[in-house]
Amino acid sequence: AQSVTQLDSQVPVFEEAPVELRCNYSSSVSVYLFWYVQYPNQGLQLLLKYLSGSTLVKGINGFEAEFNKSQTSFHLRKPSVHISDTAEYFCAVSDRPGTYKYIFGTGTRLKVLA
Amino acid sequence: NAGVTQTPKFQVLKTGQSMTLQCAQDMNHNSMYWYRQDPGMGLRLIYYSASEGTTDKGEVPNGYNVSRLNKREFSLRLESAAPSQTSVYFCASSEGVSGRETQYFGPGTRLLVL
Repeated sequence: AQSVTQLDSQVPVFEEAPVELRCNYSSSVSVYLFWYVQYPNQGLQLLLKYLSGSTLVKGINGFEAEFNKSQTSFHLRKPSVHISDTAEYFCAVSDRPGTYKYIFGTGTRLKVLA
Repeated sequence: NAGVTQTPKFQVLKTGQSMTLQCAQDMNHNSMYWYRQDPGMGLRLIYYSASEGTTDKGEVPNGYNVSRLNKREFSLRLESAAPSQTSVYFCASSEGVSGRETQYFGPGTRLLVL
C-alpha cells in the first residue's frame, strides 16, 4: 500500500527566509501528488498538485514543488516566506489512480517568525 | 457558492451517546469523503462515497456508519460514542474518481467524547 512520509513535524523559519518542506512517498508505478495547506481552525485547501508532465509544479501563494521520481520525493519550497504562511502543510498521494483514496502525510507545522 | 459545509462546528458527547455529523456540498461533485484528524497522525479516511448510492470503508471505519442521502449530502453517524473518537472530523468532496481531482474540504467538526 502507498504511504507518505513527512519527516519534519515542525519547521520554524524567519520571515523572508526560504523554506523547504519535505515529502517522500513509497514507490509506485504511477502516482498523483498533492500539497494542501491548513490554516488554524480551517479545513484543508489545495496548494498545488502533480499529475504528469513538467516535474516543477507552481502553486498558489508563491509555493512550488518538484517531483523527483528516482528519489520518490515531492518537496515543497518557497523562496521567501511571510508571517501569513504560518500553517500546517500536508503532502498527499493518490493511491492507485481510480481507487478514489488519498493517503495523507502526518503534516508539517510551519511557523514563520518575525 | 458555499463549497462544503459541515454541522455542527463543535460537539461534546458522553460515552455511549449517539450523534450524526452532517455534510453538504454545492459543487455538483460525485465523490464525498469523511476523514478524522488526530495530532501526529494526519488525516485518516473513515468512509467515502464514489457516487450517489454507493459507500465504501476507508482506513478507520470501526464505530462509524455513513449515509449518502443524495448527491449533495453525506452524513457520518456515531452510534455509541467512545473517548477514542475524540477528534476533528472533516468532510471533503471531489468531482470524479480518477484520483487526479482536487479534494475540497469543509471547516471541520470538533468532537469531544467524555
